[in-house]
Amino acid sequence: QVQLVQSGAEVKKPGASVKVSCKASEYSFTGYYMHWVRQAPGQGLEWMGWINLNSGGTKYAQKFQGRVTLTRDTSISTAYMDLSSLISDDTAVYYCARDSGWYWGQGTLVTVSS
Amino acid sequence: QAVVTQEPSLTVSPGGTVTLTCGSSTGAVTSGHYPYWFQQKPGQAPRTLIYDTSNKHSWTPARFSGSLLGGRAALTLSGAQPEDEADYYCLLSYSGVQVFGGGTKLTVL
Repeated sequence: QVQLVQSGAEVKKPGASVKVSCKASEYSFTGYYMHWVRQAPGQGLEWMGWINLNSGGTKYAQKFQGRVTLTRDTSISTAYMDLSSLISDDTAVYYCARDSGWYWGQGTLVTVSS
Repeated sequence: QAVVTQEPSLTVSPGGTVTLTCGSSTGAVTSGHYPYWFQQKPGQAPRTLIYDTSNKHSWTPARFSGSLLGGRAALTLSGAQPEDEADYYCLLSYSGVQVFGGGTKLTVL
């Protein structure tokens, strides 16, 4: 069974960056894409981008272009989402989800507050 | 960017049938949009119910089914249970760019 375990909650100041990790437990880590999605309090789901876990190629939602960076470390089956220049509106739960069926991580709460 | 639309809220009686739909601002939804349906309960991560229009995961209750209906993606719940009360989101793919619908709050009452 696919299992995605994300890093713990973060509290950041405005202007800072945050890096969230997503560790996959499965044999063929590089055979898929990993999506990143966020959900602000009381709001809907918002797609941020994906990374091809084999090639490292990425595609980002226009809204996050220039502010989000998706990377992966195939040696430890872990994907990362780095979001910079944080503002209070970035306060949200951030999820990773593996493609081909969309298997979800448990979510990571990122709070941006001065 | 395309806009994906869902009914903001629906109500179904226990044991009843309800269809949630998912439309695209660009025109008819097709299998080429690889429609997905997710269920989310308060305080939980989303759970994938349907992928690629009509495929189910092993955990998807048999009472849920996905289809294309009148140019929209559809999620039909037949025989609603109290535990089906949740938010439901659809997702469409546009040449690799993924767009979520705004979600449907389903009440079982």
